[in-house]
Amino acid sequence: GESVGLHLPTLSVQEGDNSIINCAYSNSASDYFIWYKQESGKGPQFIIDIRSNMDKRQGQRVTVLLNKTVKHLSLQIAATQPGDSAVYFCAENREMDTDKLIFGTGTRLQVFP
Amino acid sequence: EPEVTQTPSHQVTQMGQEVILRCVPISNHLYFYWYRQILGQKVEFLVSFYNNEISEKSEIFDDQFSVERPDGSNFTLKIRSTKLEDSAMYFCASRDSGWNTGELFFGEGSRLTVL
Repeated sequence: GESVGLHLPTLSVQEGDNSIINCAYSNSASDYFIWYKQESGKGPQFIIDIRSNMDKRQGQRVTVLLNKTVKHLSLQIAATQPGDSAVYFCAENREMDTDKLIFGTGTRLQVFP
Repeated sequence: EPEVTQTPSHQVTQMGQEVILRCVPISNHLYFYWYRQILGQKVEFLVSFYNNEISEKSEIFDDQFSVERPDGSNFTLKIRSTKLEDSAMYFCASRDSGWNTGELFFGEGSRLTVL
């Protein structure tokens, strides 16, 4: 069946360190992946996306890596800040077949001083 | 910055009652969605809506659910007879075009509590 899952429910990092949040997906037909950030009491906020024809994409302080061989997605946050504290979700989509996103369970990132 | 707005932020209702959750998508957007998130769980797709009709729905979106775009700005989710398991945060989302160009914007959610 379809599933998008996260390896760790909680990640604690020190301010200024780099964070890596991982995600495994099971559907090899998925061709579009997105990372969302959800702060307490708010809706998911788009961070960065990547299509399956790429293996890396960079944004401002964030990098997404896609390894299609092992069906693994990661989000790297450079110089983590207190404002990065949130729950991070990966989501997948099979663009040719469907309009819906399938979300993972989420990883809580805690940044301490 | 344009945003998706949702009302109410929190609604408490008795089991069996009808509930309408309202959303105002971003004004130039064409594709509209409802997702829900049961406390502590994943965000789940409910329904997508384009050109005044449902384009896709999940197995959660049964006959008790309906969506409507009654005018040019609002997009509503109705639950006809609420059940305890409908308690969740409901997120409305919108985007302007196809996946090649359209980022999905979420509202801040409406928390539904069914007693």
